[in-house]
Amino acid sequence: QVQLQESGPGLVKPSQTLSLTCTVSGGSISSGGYYWSWIRQHPGKGLEWIGYIYYSGSTYYNPSLKSRVTISVDTSKNQFSLKLSSVTAADTAVYYCARQSHGGAEGGVYFDYWGQGTLVTVSS
Amino acid sequence: SSELTQDPAVSVALGQTVRITCQGDSLRSYYASWYQQKPGQAPVLVIYGKNNRPSGIPDRFSGSSSGNTASLTITGAQAEDEADYYCNSRDSSGNSWVFGGGTKLTVL
Repeated sequence: QVQLQESGPGLVKPSQTLSLTCTVSGGSISSGGYYWSWIRQHPGKGLEWIGYIYYSGSTYYNPSLKSRVTISVDTSKNQFSLKLSSVTAADTAVYYCARQSHGGAEGGVYFDYWGQGTLVTVSS
Repeated sequence: SSELTQDPAVSVALGQTVRITCQGDSLRSYYASWYQQKPGQAPVLVIYGKNNRPSGIPDRFSGSSSGNTASLTITGAQAEDEADYYCNSRDSSGNSWVFGGGTKLTVL
């Protein structure tokens, strides 16, 4: 059973960089075949996809956040990380990491495993 | 604003059938996936692709698609199905992913 766990500071000051790590257990990031994503949810609001990384290091980001987002992977630790720079109160959200799978011709692409989420508050 | 549009709220009587819809141009080309989220919990995948259920998801959940609309149907809704439901698919560029705004399902 694949499990994902987010970790990182719960409070970040405005203009600083938000940094989170997702630790994967029960499966290896370096085995390939999956994309590893970050998704956030503003309080009381819907879900927003932030971006993904493949084990090789290739990334793709939400165009609306691209200028501030960096996602990296450490296959030796079976972890991937999120950095979001120049944060404001609008970045206050629950941040989830998730595994993105491809189901073939009739399966599409979907997020099948999620972390429990971690609340990050941006405040001075 | 989301490129996938969902009704904000839907209600269903206990044991009845309810359909939750998701509209967007990208759905003409790509499958949607559906997620159930209960308060304080992470989303859970309930339907993906043409009409696939992950292990452990009851068979009262099903999916379908026509044109620019994807649908999640719950046949015989139970009290425990009360939750927020989100659809997800690629955006119109096909390069990134977008979620619908979510539908709050109330089971009466």
